[in-house]
Amino acid sequence: QLQLQESGPGLLTPSETLSLTCTVSGGSVSTSDYYWGWIRQPPGKGLEWIANIFYGGNTYYKPSLKSRATISIDTSRNKFSLKMSSVTAADTALYYCATVNRRGAVYSFDDWGQGTLVTVSS
Amino acid sequence: EIVLTQSPGTLSLSPGERATLSCRASQSVSSSNLAWYQQKPGQAPRLLIYSTSSRATGIPDRFSGSGSRTDFTLTISRLEPEDFAVYYCQQYGSSTWTFGQGTKVEIK
Repeated sequence: QLQLQESGPGLLTPSETLSLTCTVSGGSVSTSDYYWGWIRQPPGKGLEWIANIFYGGNTYYKPSLKSRATISIDTSRNKFSLKMSSVTAADTALYYCATVNRRGAVYSFDDWGQGTLVTVSS
Repeated sequence: EIVLTQSPGTLSLSPGERATLSCRASQSVSSSNLAWYQQKPGQAPRLLIYSTSSRATGIPDRFSGSGSRTDFTLTISRLEPEDFAVYYCQQYGSSTWTFGQGTKVEIK
């Protein structure tokens, strides 16, 4: 089973750029079986999909976040990353990375990291 | 973007009872692309059901999913103490993914 681990700064000030990395173990990001994705969850609230990427470079974004979010993948280091510019308090959330199952065009989020809390505060 | 609306917001039941959770989509969703997740406090979500009715690895058969087009259901046949949690539905369509707002199943 794949294991995912998020990392990144826990505290940002408004207008800064959020940068998160997901390290994958137990398998390669260079697989056609999965997309690699980011989901967030504000404290006490529900899940919000942010973006997915395929190792070949195809990217997919939540329309309302597309202007601020950039997802990328580093196949040589078996990691993928998320950058989000101009953060505000509304971006405070637990950020998860996850696999997205492409087999059979199912597109479910199969494996999840434990999440990393990002707080935006002045 | 397809909006998923889950109901009820909270379900208060006793262990051993049957739980029926609803997920309604604003547009038709392919049956292949509807999933359900369970989330317990302090934990990441866990995939329960994919493709509307297929159980993920290790999920007990008291969990079942059904539905089509815009109406989908997650049923827990007999609630065990460990089933009290928040449940989310999720869909894929037109290169975007969305989640419902969640249903909390609490102990009555």
